[in-house]
Amino acid sequence: EPEVTQTPSHQVTQMGQEVILRCVPISNHLYFYWYRQILGQKVEFLVSFYNNEISEKSEIFDDQFSVERPDGSNFTLKIRSTKLEDSAMYFCASSEITGQSSPLHFGNGTRLTVT
Amino acid sequence: AQSVSQHNHHVILSEAASLELGCNYSYGGTVNLFWYVQYPGQHLQLLLKYFSGDPLVKGIKGFEAEFIKSKFSFNLRKPSVQWSDTAEYFCAVSSGSSNTGKLIFGQGTTLQVKP
Repeated sequence: EPEVTQTPSHQVTQMGQEVILRCVPISNHLYFYWYRQILGQKVEFLVSFYNNEISEKSEIFDDQFSVERPDGSNFTLKIRSTKLEDSAMYFCASSEITGQSSPLHFGNGTRLTVT
Repeated sequence: AQSVSQHNHHVILSEAASLELGCNYSYGGTVNLFWYVQYPGQHLQLLLKYFSGDPLVKGIKGFEAEFIKSKFSFNLRKPSVQWSDTAEYFCAVSSGSSNTGKLIFGQGTTLQVKP
């Protein structure tokens, strides 16, 4: 079964540094998402992306965050200047279409630790 | 705003016991409802989903959930759990009118099944 893959599995960075989290969605999927889960808290929606543009973003997704699909296969989340509170597990997801017939497929996540 | 509440944070059962995990949501419009499972070290996987029709939905691995609209609930059940069901379970909701696929998650329930 096709999978969403995320790299790296664990990223440690210093506060103020830029970090790029990478995801390879399932190849025929058209909708892409980032979610995050701070330790002990809920999985939170960050952003959805379709047709090379953001379709929805949450309040968390401020100017420090950006997403990009630089080529036909990768989907990246960039945090420009990391803060301690950005430490979390970041999940990428993709779906074939939105709506009823196409659930989200999630990757294994990248654990980001900001020191 | 949409929200999802899972009442049980940590459940411990013996094998063959019956399981019911509570999930309540807050949203005034049409909703799509989901249960996801995350086995240790793995990605979030869809257990089952409800969009419309029969409020009793069956998913993989013997799980089922019942949508009770009047109670805004979507509880997950399994008649007889196995040790391999040890995992974290997430209830999630999306707006039935949304075209972005955004999911709102509950805080998750950790299920530990003792052999």
